[in-house]
Amino acid sequence: NAGVTQTPKFRILKIGQSMTLQCAQDMNHNYMYWYRQDPGMGLKLIYYSVGAGITDKGEVPNGYNVSRSTTEDFPLRLELAAPSQTSVYFCASSYELHRATSTNEKLFFGSGTQLSVL
Amino acid sequence: GQQVMQIPQYQHVQEGEDFTTYCNSSTTLSNIQWYKQRPGGHPVFLIQLVKSGEVKKQKRLTFQFGEAKKNSSLHITATQTTDVGTYFCAGPRSNDYKLSFGAGTTVTVRA
Repeated sequence: NAGVTQTPKFRILKIGQSMTLQCAQDMNHNYMYWYRQDPGMGLKLIYYSVGAGITDKGEVPNGYNVSRSTTEDFPLRLELAAPSQTSVYFCASSYELHRATSTNEKLFFGSGTQLSVL
Repeated sequence: GQQVMQIPQYQHVQEGEDFTTYCNSSTTLSNIQWYKQRPGGHPVFLIQLVKSGEVKKQKRLTFQFGEAKKNSSLHITATQTTDVGTYFCAGPRSNDYKLSFGAGTTVTVRA
């Protein structure tokens, strides 16, 4: 199993450009998430999905869009890149949602995408 | 809303020494998770604590969940260079169960 695969690893965008960050998992997890990580700020949830066709906003969704057409894939779209979106983006998946009290809700993270918007 | 706070933000440790990092929540948590992120890497799950007062050990790492389930700690004994990285705690918010991550404690080790 490859786990959670993210592409690309690095990207530089100009202000106003658009791009899609790809994320795929092969663990048959229903739950997938996109986080951004800024220095000293921890991980902030952008969007999440509880299954194919179902997505919902997290803490910082503005400027982003997602879709979930299959269980495996959960791409993140930036429509009009802004300097404030410079960050490291992590995709993650879990077997269960965070309501349970078992380790089945632990997150598996991808290797991340470092995005700079100039 | 619920926030998970971690202290200290940075921990510089002499190799061989012990240290502790703390995680505090403004609300009661059903459980708490700890992750480790190596420099340039991605967060990796370490452990989950569920019960009040629970203590779990992984080799030199000791994790504790407070009696009131509002705080947690990670204690590392005899720090090694392999312990370098950022340690995050995370707890599910009571209203929507989304994980709230602390800002992390970044650990550096002096040989």
